[in-house]
Amino acid sequence: SQQGEEDPQALSIQEGENATMNCSYKTSINNLQWYRQNSGRGLVHLILIRSNEREKHSGRLRVTLDTSKKSSSLLITASRAADTASYFCATGPTPSNTGKLIFGQGTTLQVKP
Amino acid sequence: DADVTQTPRNRITKTGKRIMLECSQTKGHDRMYWYRQDPGLGLRLIYYSFDVKDINKGEISDGYSVSRQAQAKFSLSLESAIPNQTALYFCATSEAGSKNIQYFGAGTRLSVL
Repeated sequence: SQQGEEDPQALSIQEGENATMNCSYKTSINNLQWYRQNSGRGLVHLILIRSNEREKHSGRLRVTLDTSKKSSSLLITASRAADTASYFCATGPTPSNTGKLIFGQGTTLQVKP
Repeated sequence: DADVTQTPRNRITKTGKRIMLECSQTKGHDRMYWYRQDPGLGLRLIYYSFDVKDINKGEISDGYSVSRQAQAKFSLSLESAIPNQTALYFCATSEAGSKNIQYFGAGTRLSVL
């Protein structure tokens, strides 16, 4: 079964607004990653946060991780129409050498120009 | 050229036919993965391989088989296709190590009639 659950399932905002999506997971993790998927295309890695980190930034992306609540959030600031895509969290479970990622079901983001 | 190449990009086949999806990579990664994506279900792992002599079942391996012909090539076969195998299939690669950041191909859209 899927470990990651994301919410909301769908989000529609205006260009310039911030978009926040959340991910919850069930077991201990080594790291948590966020990926982006444009319609019908392959997933692209966005950012990775390790289990001992609480916040990480990359450009307009901000990721937080709360291991006590087994949850993470992805914030996209000053959104653009080009940010329209589906976003997936993926957890790398412990032990880290399993080599597998467990993907959530995704949040579909629509940014209206 | 894409680092992870999947062929074919689209395929329509009939129930009972054998079909092979191919994946090749130029990233030099040891680890390769096959996923399927269905609407609302995120990505589910079918098989994965950590090197040429290592093949492992994923979450949903029934009805599928794989072959790791070389470090750069990992193919997925449906021995006798059925309609509920209609889905979007992705190949991914990663380096060995604890990060396990995955790099995806563009996907194969398979329809089984």
